[in-house]
This record gives sequence, structure tokens and C-alpha cells, in this order.
Amino acid sequence: QVQLQESGPGLVKPSQTLSLTCTVSGGSISSGGFYWNWIRQYPGKGLEWIGYIYYSGNTYYNPSLKSRVAISVDTSRDQFSLKLSSVTAADTAVYYCARSYGSGPYHYWGQGALVTVST
Amino acid sequence: EIVLTQSPGTLSLSPGERATLSCRASQSVSSYLAWYQQEPGQAPRLLIYGSSSRATGISDRFSGSGSGTDFTLTISRLEPEDFAVYYCQQYHGAISFGQGTRLEIK
Repeated sequence: QVQLQESGPGLVKPSQTLSLTCTVSGGSISSGGFYWNWIRQYPGKGLEWIGYIYYSGNTYYNPSLKSRVAISVDTSRDQFSLKLSSVTAADTAVYYCARSYGSGPYHYWGQGALVTVST
Repeated sequence: EIVLTQSPGTLSLSPGERATLSCRASQSVSSYLAWYQQEPGQAPRLLIYGSSSRATGISDRFSGSGSGTDFTLTISRLEPEDFAVYYCQQYHGAISFGQGTRLEIK
């Protein structure tokens, strides 16, 4: 059974960079065919896809966030990471990592990590 | 950007009744549509993908239909654990989600 777990600071100051890591267990991140995604959910419940990465390092980002987002992968640790720069209070959300087969639906999700942007 | 509009925003029904949730896309997504269920404090759970295929372990009380721009999630006989928030998601282009339908006990 594949499991994903987000980790990182729960509080980030405005204008700084949000950094989160997702650790995958029960399966290798290098398994072909799977994309490794970041999604966030605002306090008001809306879901927003942030982007995904393939184990080779190829990425695809939400055009609305593209200028501020970077997703990277560390296959030796079965981890992938999210960096979101120049954050504001509007970036306060629960951040989820998830696995999809291709750019498809998300069969596996992490439990989510609440990140608050505040001074 | 493909916008997904879910209706109704809130649906009030009783256990044993049939629920019908709608998701409309601003342009065709073929059958690249999924449905998720989310309970408070938990991650969304995949119910349906490819418009009508049930995910592993999902009860046959859940069914999906539609293609192009209009999609429906039907829950045939509501159980107490079905009362939650439901989201649709399209993965035809840059991924997007609907705003959700809250299914509450009447």
C-alpha cells in the first residue's frame, strides 16, 4: 500500500519561501508511469492543483502559479519537494501531496499539512 | 483554464434516499473526469475516474456518468457515512476542481 506523508514548517512569513517535502513509502518514486503532485486546499474548502513531477525530473505547473513554484525530486530518498516563493496570506492552505497515474486522478493522497502565512 | 461548476452547493437528503450531484465543465473534457469524497479533517478520497469507473474498494452504490461537459455522480441509497463534501476534477487539460457539493442529513 502506497503511503505519502507531507512535512515542513507550519508557519511561513510573508514574502518568504514555503518549502514542503513529501515522503513516499510502500512503493518507489521511480516507478514508471506515476506523476507526483502537489495540491492545496484553502480554508474556504476550494482545491487547487499546484503541479507535478515525474521521477525523471520533468515538471508541469499550474499556469497561475508557474512563476513562483518549483517542484523537485530526490529518487534516492523517495521524496519530492515543493517550493513556493514570495508567499502572502492568500497562500495559507492545507497542502497535499498525491500520486496520479499519468496526469490523471489521484488514487493516493498524503494526510495534508497546514501552512499558515503570517508575521 | 477549464472551469468546473458543481450543483447544487448543498444537498439535504435523508438516509436511504438517492442523491444526484452535477458537475458542468466550461469546455469539453471528454471522459477525463473524477469524483472525490471528503470528510472533515481528511484528504479527499477518489470515488470515480474516467467519468464512470469506480476506484478500488468503492461501493457500487456510487456511480458516475456523462461525457463532454455534463457529468453526474449518483449515490443510490444514502448511508450515514455518505454525508460529506463531494468534488469533481477534470484532467483533460491543466487540472482543475469544482467548488464542491455538501451533502447533509435532512
